[in-house]
Amino acid sequence: GAVVSQHPSRVICKSGTSVKIECRSLDFQATTMFWYRQFPKQSLMLMATSNEGSKATYEQGVEKDKFLINHASLTLSTLTVTSAHPEDSSFYICSAQTAGTSGSITDTQYFGPGTRLTVL
Amino acid sequence: DAKTTQPPSMDCAEGRAANLPCNHSTISGNEYVYWYRQIHSQGPQYIIHGLKNNETNEMASLIITEDRKSSTLILPHATLRDTAVYYCIVKTLYNFNKFYFGSGTKLNVKP
Repeated sequence: GAVVSQHPSRVICKSGTSVKIECRSLDFQATTMFWYRQFPKQSLMLMATSNEGSKATYEQGVEKDKFLINHASLTLSTLTVTSAHPEDSSFYICSAQTAGTSGSITDTQYFGPGTRLTVL
Repeated sequence: DAKTTQPPSMDCAEGRAANLPCNHSTISGNEYVYWYRQIHSQGPQYIIHGLKNNETNEMASLIITEDRKSSTLILPHATLRDTAVYYCIVKTLYNFNKFYFGSGTKLNVKP
């Protein structure tokens, strides 16, 4: 159980184009999903928190107009990198949090396999 | 947010126990300690979590000191497939359960 998928696993695009990455919880409902970015040899950096049916909240320094997040259902969140540039090339990882008891702090995050974005 | 400190790397012989330490001296009373690992170019994998008592599952054991300022993840019989970066994370209580990853420990399991 608790499987999270991401699509695509790898994408190469030209500078200036937009890229959409999907994150799905396959066997559970996720009230909250998170998006991370990871540069080579670095740790994961939290970008934004996405709650179903509401606007995403972004971490300081993350451009919300560049990284559009939509969480339309309890099993799907999408991240769109708009007008991508080479510096946006990175490994993007999502996670989904099980919908545990309201206010529970023990809810575990389950991570997707990641999407490698290369912008030429 | 409580910060964590981990050694950058550790070696372990295959078949031996791997003991990975983590310091979290500013942890608050209701914050949990989570451990994840990341094998190269994959998403992090959940291992175990705990509050104050020691915990064990099929993957590992988690030992939390009585003052909760540090913890140790124990892989009882390390295999080559356990080579990964291991992250110790203190879960923020009042901030939508966000995870902030530190730099982790690269565990190298050697034959």
